[in-house]
Amino acid sequence: DQQVKQNSPSLSVQEGRISILNCDYTNSMFDYFLWYKKYPAEGPTFLISISSIKDKNEDGRFTVFLNKSAKHLSLHIVPSQPGDSAVYFCAAAFSFQKLVFGTGTRLLVSP
Amino acid sequence: DTGVSQDPRHKITKRGQNVTFRCDPISEHNRLYWYRQTLGQGPEFLTYFQNEAQLEKSRLLSDRFSAERPKGSFSTLEIQRTEQGDSAMYLCASSPLVAGELFFGEGSRLTVL
Repeated sequence: DQQVKQNSPSLSVQEGRISILNCDYTNSMFDYFLWYKKYPAEGPTFLISISSIKDKNEDGRFTVFLNKSAKHLSLHIVPSQPGDSAVYFCAAAFSFQKLVFGTGTRLLVSP
Repeated sequence: DTGVSQDPRHKITKRGQNVTFRCDPISEHNRLYWYRQTLGQGPEFLTYFQNEAQLEKSRLLSDRFSAERPKGSFSTLEIQRTEQGDSAMYLCASSPLVAGELFFGEGSRLTVL
């Protein structure tokens, strides 16, 4: 069963505009959510996280929003840059145990 | 560089052979995780260790797979009698004891012919 879902396999955005990546989850026990970025032939790198006690966390150009009632989180990147082009994975965890990942969204930011 | 390191980076083998991957975590991290990633999918959890104890194994980890972490430092993942379906990227990650963020290595890509 896919507990973490990223329904958009790809997203194209122009440089300078906002990128919004979405993620849905089914397990209400998840209490920690993360976004990872992955370039080809590299391991995933941590981007930003949010605890279930918050609804927003911001780090520079990256903001993660959490809507617990909808079991939905999103990553906003603004302004988007060509170097942001990568695959983005949403992940969720319960009580700091294993991470459960979504299938990823490929973001392409064009100049 | 004191990040997570994995070896080998790429392994090509024939069906039926055994392969072993090694992971060296960040030195002060107590937890070590193994994930598998296939094309178009996100990383899938295989198993994790807290120090030398293996705390959880996924249903994906058939009896052909075995992981160890002797002395709570490096870890090995062995696949016996490889099958073509084992072809994937095997990712290792580590984390401190109580932390949500995992630090991943660059992965070991397995190709089974």
